[in-house]
Amino acid sequence: DAGVIQSPRHEVTEMGQEVTLRCKPISGHNSLFWYRQTMMRGLELLIYFNNNVPIDDSGMPEDRFSAKMPNASFSTLKIQPSEPRDSAVYFCASRGMGEAFFGQGTRLTVV
Amino acid sequence: GESVGLHLPTLSVQEGDNSIINCAYSNSASDYFIWYKQESGKGPQFIIDIRSNMDKRQGQRVTVLLNKTVKHLSLQIAATQPGDSAVYFCAESPGDYKYIFGTGTRLKVLA
Repeated sequence: DAGVIQSPRHEVTEMGQEVTLRCKPISGHNSLFWYRQTMMRGLELLIYFNNNVPIDDSGMPEDRFSAKMPNASFSTLKIQPSEPRDSAVYFCASRGMGEAFFGQGTRLTVV
Repeated sequence: GESVGLHLPTLSVQEGDNSIINCAYSNSASDYFIWYKQESGKGPQFIIDIRSNMDKRQGQRVTVLLNKTVKHLSLQIAATQPGDSAVYFCAESPGDYKYIFGTGTRLKVLA
């Protein structure tokens, strides 16, 4: 398996624009997580899906953030409109019965 | 995927020496603990885990110790190598899907 695949690896966008981050979890994993990593706050859980259903979105900062998982092999995290304070590295992780596996992350810069 | 903050604790060790990275966790209900390694530009990578019914677990060159009395976790790396240089995170899981990550420790291996 290629592991958790995220795209794009880097994204630079202007404030106010819509940003969509993509994730392909490991096949067979039924849990998917979106995390955000910043220097100030470390790794924060944004949202958790189980069997494609959002279970806990309490970490989503505000209404500008939304996430979907239309099927077991794909998830998106959307920010609309984006703001400079959204600049961070966003990680997707998936988990089966054991530990969570992380993707390489998307480094988002909002200017 | 830079993961460091300006005030990230740093441990410097000589190549070939043993490393001990410590972590205090907060939730006495946590029953699953994980160590992750994060290299620059990459996502966190699983190293080793331990459940609360154990106090020690060994892997290849790594050992995790758990002291539930004082809510302390440690990661020991034997014969530290340059490739071990990274940021190390502990994470606790309070019986559900969530991983609560610590702030991380940067390990520098000196040649």
